[in-house]
Amino acid sequence: QKEVEQDPGPLSVPEGAIVSLNCTYSNSAFQYFMWYRQYSRKGPELLMYTYSSGNKEDGRFTAQVDKSSKYISLFIRDSQPSDSATYLCAMSANNNAGNMLTFGGGTRLMVKP
Amino acid sequence: DGGITQSPKYLFRKEGQNVTLSCEQNLNHDAMYWYRQDPGQGLRLIYYSQIVNDFQKGDIAEGYSVSREKKESFPLTVTSAQKNPTAFYLCASGVIDSSKLFFGSGTQLSVL
Repeated sequence: QKEVEQDPGPLSVPEGAIVSLNCTYSNSAFQYFMWYRQYSRKGPELLMYTYSSGNKEDGRFTAQVDKSSKYISLFIRDSQPSDSATYLCAMSANNNAGNMLTFGGGTRLMVKP
Repeated sequence: DGGITQSPKYLFRKEGQNVTLSCEQNLNHDAMYWYRQDPGQGLRLIYYSQIVNDFQKGDIAEGYSVSREKKESFPLTVTSAQKNPTAFYLCASGVIDSSKLFFGSGTQLSVL
């Protein structure tokens, strides 16, 4: 079993839909959680960064962490075709741990006009 | 314009050949990283460096080598010992006390 599980998709939604992307994990020591967006054949870019449990909102994006269930989510409101990309979750047990990140395999999202 | 530059974008390796992937950053970051990305798999850490002239093996260092002679530069050599080199290679950088990484645009390496 992988330490971080992510449905590879593809997830196809119509423009304007609310998108829910999820990751589950097994290591209860994880306390820093990130979502990266990766366009095809490009490097990932950091979208959201959260610590411990709770919600964090940034524009159309909301990151949610439920440590009791070992489950994190990224919600995208009013999805746009430009949101079509692969979304990677990443997590670490220690903030001073750029070398200790564990990534999910990514979920490919397609937003259709 | 600050960022991380990887070159080349595409690279082909012949059997028994060593190839070097370039990574340069002007973000003044101390830490630099090399990751390998295979379809459907999470990014896997190859090597990382937190200071000039020092680097550490990641999870999948076998068949790879790096150097860190300058703060701005962290080239990765894929040696002939790496039997399955076809992958998308990503270079990243960050400040020492943070897991927030900034990535380059990647190099796709394929075997001829």
